[in-house]
Amino acid sequence: QVQLVQSGPEVKKPGASVTVSCQASGYTFTRHGISWMRQAPGQRPVWMAWISAKNGNTKYGEKFQGRITLTRDTSTNIVYMELRSLRSDDSAVYFCARGSDGGNDYFDSWGQGTLVSVSP
Amino acid sequence: DIQMTQSPSTLSASIGDRVTITCRASQTIYSWLAWYQQKPGKAPKLLIYKASILESGVPSRFSGSGSGTEFTLTISSLQPDDFATYYCQEYNVYSERTFGPGTKVDIK
Repeated sequence: QVQLVQSGPEVKKPGASVTVSCQASGYTFTRHGISWMRQAPGQRPVWMAWISAKNGNTKYGEKFQGRITLTRDTSTNIVYMELRSLRSDDSAVYFCARGSDGGNDYFDSWGQGTLVSVSP
Repeated sequence: DIQMTQSPSTLSASIGDRVTITCRASQTIYSWLAWYQQKPGKAPKLLIYKASILESGVPSRFSGSGSGTEFTLTISSLQPDDFATYYCQEYNVYSERTFGPGTKVDIK
């Protein structure tokens, strides 16, 4: 079955960077893109970025452009999300999710979420 | 940017009730809409895509309808496992994949 397994919780100071990983299994990795969303407590999910697992093409949300980088490793089926210059309002649960088909339309499988806390 | 709204924000219902949630988009998104269910501490789960297509494995008591700017998610007979928060999400061409603010379904 399709599984996305994310790395563990992170605690960071303002100004630092965080990298969260997402390992995919149970399907042909290069046939689907991976998106990242984040969700603050009591809030809706917010789409952040997408990467094509096939060719590494990326699309970044306007709000995160310049602070986020997605990469993927097709030998291990892992996607990495790096977010830089962290602020307190970056504290949230971060999810990776598989995009429908090869695109970035809707998300049919999600990782378990990674809590990122940013505090002085 | 496309703005998404949902109503109501909270809905109190009983087992067996028919429940309807409405999602509206600020501009036409044709049928490019998905619905998710989320329980506390868990990731969202896809229920419906392309406004009305039921994801594999999702119970048939869930249904979706609508097009353009107004959409509905209906649960025909509410079950104990359905108490959760429901989100709509648009995926119009060139959009940034916006989610609605959510509708929490709780026990009456």
